[in-house]
Amino acid sequence: DQQVKQNSPSLSVQEGRISILNCDYTNSMFDYFLWYKKYPAEGPTFLISISSIKDKNEDGRFTVFLNKSAKHLSLHIVPSQPGDSAVYFCAASVWGSQGNLIFGKGTKLSVKP
Amino acid sequence: NAGVTQTPKFRILKIGQSMTLQCAQDMNHNYMYWYRQDPGMGLKLIYYSVGAGITDKGEVPNGYNVSRSTTEDFPLRLELAAPSQTSVYFCASRPSGTGGNQPQHFGDGTRLSIL
Repeated sequence: DQQVKQNSPSLSVQEGRISILNCDYTNSMFDYFLWYKKYPAEGPTFLISISSIKDKNEDGRFTVFLNKSAKHLSLHIVPSQPGDSAVYFCAASVWGSQGNLIFGKGTKLSVKP
Repeated sequence: NAGVTQTPKFRILKIGQSMTLQCAQDMNHNYMYWYRQDPGMGLKLIYYSVGAGITDKGEVPNGYNVSRSTTEDFPLRLELAAPSQTSVYFCASRPSGTGGNQPQHFGDGTRLSIL
């Protein structure tokens, strides 16, 4: 049973517009959420994270929003660039679990020039 | 800046063979992890280690073994390879942090095919 769900396998966005990637989770014990970006033939690269005590975290063009009551988080990329084209994974962990991450299946973002 | 280094990058095995996937990190991280990623799926945790001499099972440990004799190295051993172990294997590490809230850093993976 999936504890972290990314229900959109793919997303296509025009360059300069906003990309919104969504993630839902079922385990209310999750307290740390991360987004990773992955290019083909490379390992995942950490992008941004958020603790459950916050509802928003920003880093440049990337913002993550957390809605604990809905068990939902989203990653906003503004403005989107062609170099952002990659697979984005949402991941979560429980405090005290040694940082073990539960991953979603990923969303493939394509940013078209 | 080497970070997490995995070798080999690619390997083809025959059913029943064994091999060791190597992982080394130069960031002095205590925590290390092995994941596998099947096509169209997210990463799943195989084994992890919180420091030299200490390892524990993750979500999908069957058919694998690990050891951690040094802080730097965390090899993953496949005994009696089976087609179901065809996957991409990622090693990761992270520094110690309160409750585990530190991002993991990943290697570039080992693509393993078992025929």
